[in-house]
Amino acid sequence: AQSVTQLDSQVPVFEEAPVELRCNYSSSVSVYLFWYVQYPNQGLQLLLKYLSGSTLVKGINGFEAEFNKSQTSFHLRKPSVHISDTAEYFCAVSDVEEYGNKLVFGAGTILRVKS
Amino acid sequence: KAGVTQTPRYLIKTRGQQVTLSCSPISGHRSVSWYQQTPGQGLQFLFEYFSETQRNKGNFPGRFSGRQFSNSRSEMNVSTLELGDSALYLCASSLGPEGNYGYTFGSGTRLTVV
Repeated sequence: AQSVTQLDSQVPVFEEAPVELRCNYSSSVSVYLFWYVQYPNQGLQLLLKYLSGSTLVKGINGFEAEFNKSQTSFHLRKPSVHISDTAEYFCAVSDVEEYGNKLVFGAGTILRVKS
Repeated sequence: KAGVTQTPRYLIKTRGQQVTLSCSPISGHRSVSWYQQTPGQGLQFLFEYFSETQRNKGNFPGRFSGRQFSNSRSEMNVSTLELGDSALYLCASSLGPEGNYGYTFGSGTRLTVV
C-alpha cells in the first residue's frame, strides 16, 4: 500500500524567504502526485499536480514542485513566501494502476510565515 | 461556477445516534469521494462513488456507508456514533474516476459526537 511521508510537521520561515516542504512516497509504481493547501476551517485547495511529462510542475500562488522518481520525492517550493501562505500543506499520491481517485495523504506540514 | 457544497457545516450529535451528511459536486463532475480528517489519523479515504456505484472503499467499519444519486449528489451515513467519529468530513468531486483529474474539495462538515 502507498504511504506518504512529509518530513517536517512545521516549517517556520520569515516573509520573503524561500521555502521547501518535503514529501516522499513509498512506492516506485507509476503514481500521480498532488499538493493541497488547507486554510483554517476550510477544505483542501489543489496547488499543483504531477501526472506525467516534465518533472518540474508549476502551480498556483507561485508554488512549484519537482518530481524525482529515483528518490520517490515530490518537494514543494516557493522562492518568496508571504504572510498569506501560512496554512497547512498536504502531499498526496494516487496509484495510476488502481481504479479510481483514491488519494493517500501525508500527515501535513504547517507553514508559519513570520514578519 | 459553484464549488463542492457540503451541508451542514457543523453538527453535534450524541453517542449512539446516526447522522447523514450531504455533498453536491461541481456541475458535470460525476465522481464523488469522502474523506475523514482527524488530528490523530490525518486525512483518510472513506469511499468513492461513480455512476451511483461504490468504486472504492477505505478501511472503515460498516457503520460508515454512502450512496450517490443519479444527479451525482452524494450522502454519507454514520450509524451508532462513537466519540472517535468526531472529525471533519470532506467531500471531493472529480470529472471521472480516472486518477489524473484530481479532486475539488468542499469546505467540509465538522461533526462533534458528545
